[in-house]
Amino acid sequence: KQEVTQIPAALSVPEGENLVLNCSFTDSAIYNLQWFRQDPGKGLTSLLLIQSSQREQTSGRLNASLDKSSGRSTLYIAASQPGDSATYLCAVMSSGYSTLTFGKGTMLLVSP
Amino acid sequence: GAVVSQHPSRVICKSGTSVKIECRSLDFQATTMFWYRQFPKQSLMLMATSNEGSKATYEQGVEKDKFLINHASLTLSTLTVTSAHPEDSSFYICSASLGPVNTEAFFGQGTRLTVV
Repeated sequence: KQEVTQIPAALSVPEGENLVLNCSFTDSAIYNLQWFRQDPGKGLTSLLLIQSSQREQTSGRLNASLDKSSGRSTLYIAASQPGDSATYLCAVMSSGYSTLTFGKGTMLLVSP
Repeated sequence: GAVVSQHPSRVICKSGTSVKIECRSLDFQATTMFWYRQFPKQSLMLMATSNEGSKATYEQGVEKDKFLINHASLTLSTLTVTSAHPEDSSFYICSASLGPVNTEAFFGQGTRLTVV
């Protein structure tokens, strides 16, 4: 059974810092890995999706990497802004499925 | 990306009543839809998978008679919480995909259910 772990559970940084969020998964037989953002009381916003054959994806100030063999992914946020404050969820789609297994998320607070 | 609309976004109901939540794929036909539940400060947990025209598949521990799922068309799935109790209060999110296996899923906005 796939398990997804995110570290740290919470992170507080001053505006302008670069930061890294970590995600690990137990079964490397994945189809893709996706990073989401969730604002309090809201749904999910997809940030980046990495296919199993890819090593990284970039969108603006966000960069996500994937090391499938070691079961790890990182989300790098450059020059953080208060508007980046949210919970970031990592989710894995295992091969042969369309369901996602989610981590518990990292709650990020960027202070001005 | 594709758009999935979920309605209502918030609902408050009395204990013992039933509540229906709708999930619609607006610009694509979704052969498979998924329902997730999220407790405060917890991750999303898959409740059930529904395929158009067939019975839903429920995850272990999810009561199928309490959480009725209907997927009557390729663009609409509904989740009905029957005889709701305060412990059913949660955030429910649906997602829709083009197929049952290895296809990207797109998420609705979620429904905050509060049972009083």
